[in-house]
Amino acid sequence: DVKVTQSSRYLVKRTGEKVFLECVQDMDHENMFWYRQDPGLGLRLIYFSYDVKMKEKGDIPEGYSVSREKKERFSLILESASTNQTSMYLCASSLLGTAKAEAFFGQGTRLTVV
Amino acid sequence: QKEVEQNSGPLSVPEGAIASLNCTYSDRGSQSFFWYRQYSGKSPELIMFIYSNGDKEDGRFTAQLNKASQYVSLLIRDSQPSDSATYLCAVKPSNDYKLSFGAGTTVTVRA
Repeated sequence: DVKVTQSSRYLVKRTGEKVFLECVQDMDHENMFWYRQDPGLGLRLIYFSYDVKMKEKGDIPEGYSVSREKKERFSLILESASTNQTSMYLCASSLLGTAKAEAFFGQGTRLTVV
Repeated sequence: QKEVEQNSGPLSVPEGAIASLNCTYSDRGSQSFFWYRQYSGKSPELIMFIYSNGDKEDGRFTAQLNKASQYVSLLIRDSQPSDSATYLCAVKPSNDYKLSFGAGTTVTVRA
């Protein structure tokens, strides 16, 4: 059974804190993604990675960074958390190099910044 | 213009009826099209994918693709209360790794 696991289901952090969201997949997928989901806005891509140590900005990268030191792990970092980063964060992974590759999602992390 | 657009709904249908969801996309070179279902508080799960023009059926679900019109739809036949969820349309643009998602259509099936 394929699996994408996010480290936390719920997080509450204070404004200005550095926040780490972790994601691990066991499917040997090359691509990994971080999305945030807000009501009425759908899923918006923050960053993605198609290989170890490789990363590319998505549509809304400001205020975020990522790290991919191992193929199975992709971390999202909020350098200095702000209240407008309160959201549901979803990690996903997919195979590289095929148009048919579906994305598998983790269970999501609901982050509240106070 | 958004890359992927859906009617936000909510779409309310009686049990046993057909629910029809629509999605348009802007990149004419897009190759792959996906429908995800997302229950409240849960993560999206894939229910249908389609790559070729025409219809694709899987159980009570039918996906329809018209590349000339840049339009993809999802039909849910014999709708059940368990189909109540938000349905996300996702499109894989040409020469790209990532999926672009619409904002989703919320469907409520009335018993």
